[in-house]
Amino acid sequence: QVQLVQSGAEVKKPGASVKVSCKASGYTFTNYFIHWVRQAPGQGLEWMGVINPSGGSTTYAQKFQGRVSVTRDTSTTTVHMELNSLTSEDTAVYYCARDHIVSNSYGLDVWGQGTTVTVSS
Amino acid sequence: DIQMTQSPSSLSASIGDRVTITCRASHTIGGYLHWYQQRPGKAPNLLIYAASNLQSGVPSRFSGSGSGTEFTLTISSLQADDVAIYYCQQSHSPPRTFGQGTRVEIK
Repeated sequence: QVQLVQSGAEVKKPGASVKVSCKASGYTFTNYFIHWVRQAPGQGLEWMGVINPSGGSTTYAQKFQGRVSVTRDTSTTTVHMELNSLTSEDTAVYYCARDHIVSNSYGLDVWGQGTTVTVSS
Repeated sequence: DIQMTQSPSSLSASIGDRVTITCRASHTIGGYLHWYQQRPGKAPNLLIYAASNLQSGVPSRFSGSGSGTEFTLTISSLQADDVAIYYCQQSHSPPRTFGQGTRVEIK
């Protein structure tokens, strides 16, 4: 079945980096963008960025420019999101979700289970 | 950036009630608007895509309408299973901003 499976929870110290992975299965990897969305405790959803697994091109929210990097490995159908210079404000659940490449009319129809990242000294 | 504003922020209704949530965009977005349901402790789930299209597997009591800058999500007959936070999201242009969410509870 179609699924996105994310890596496990992380605890990091301020100033460190975190890398979260998202493994896709059950569909053609290069036919869907992968987006990253985060949710701080008790807060709403915040869009971070997107990658086109076909060519590897990325678009990031201005807020995260220079601090986030999203890459893909087509051999393992896995997308990675790395966030640098962590602060306590980055404590959140991080989700990956897919979006059809053909059109931006279809919404994020499959989501990963979420990865909790805790930043604490 | 396109700002998305939902109203109300929360609501409480009885089982069987009709519930309507509104989402307004700061710029016109055509029909590039989607609705998600998020139950506590779970990932969001796509309910409606392109303003009015019901995602496969979603109960028919959910419906969406609107275009341009104003959109609505309607639950025709509220069920206990619908307790959740509902978010709209625009896909007209990056960043793909979300509304702040509407919490739905049972009275």
